[in-house]
Amino acid sequence: DTAVSQTPKYLVTQMGNDKSIKCEQNLGHDTMYWYKQDSKKFLKIMFSYNNKELIINETVPNRFSPKSPDKAHLNLHINSLELGDSAVYFCASSQDPGGVNFGPGTRLTVT
Amino acid sequence: AQSVSQHNHHVILSEAASLELGCNYSYGGTVNLFWYVQYPGQHLQLLLKYFSGDPLVKGIKGFEAEFIKSKFSFNLRKPSVQWSDTAEYFCAVKKAGTALIFGKGTTLSVSS
Repeated sequence: DTAVSQTPKYLVTQMGNDKSIKCEQNLGHDTMYWYKQDSKKFLKIMFSYNNKELIINETVPNRFSPKSPDKAHLNLHINSLELGDSAVYFCASSQDPGGVNFGPGTRLTVT
Repeated sequence: AQSVSQHNHHVILSEAASLELGCNYSYGGTVNLFWYVQYPGQHLQLLLKYFSGDPLVKGIKGFEAEFIKSKFSFNLRKPSVQWSDTAEYFCAVKKAGTALIFGKGTTLSVSS
């Protein structure tokens, strides 16, 4: 069984569209995250949820809205997509004092 | 501000050469330390981690790392690299209740 799964794996869309990425973890972890990996491979934390509650919200545009219907899911909705949103988005989960498990990533390309 | 620094942006080695990638962090207190690897076009994989105990930790594929608390360092080593080790390597630090923070990564290119 995949520990952290994301869908879709690839997402190609046009500027101005709205899209969502889904994430699910079956590890029973309390905390989930979204990371963005840009073209220079830099990984940056975007959001963190603990038991469905937002605990970290880095300087991310308001067009990005995470939603956690339950502690096993953390979805990312992006409005009015821009060229600069093109990146790989990784979902992750963790349970202190353990490590962090990452999903396979979603490659978003905005044209 | 809390940060993770990886000294080497791009390392080029021949097969069988030894590898050491530097990582320093600026967090105070108790931290958990990680090295992740990302092979071309693939997702992040955990190489090794340090939580407590023996500061020399061994990971997968012959990698090891040494935690030196006094130097705030967690350097990654491998005695003899292979062509298949060509990848991006990320050092990361986590404190309880916070997110994992990554260094900017080191690109390792190994020629056969």
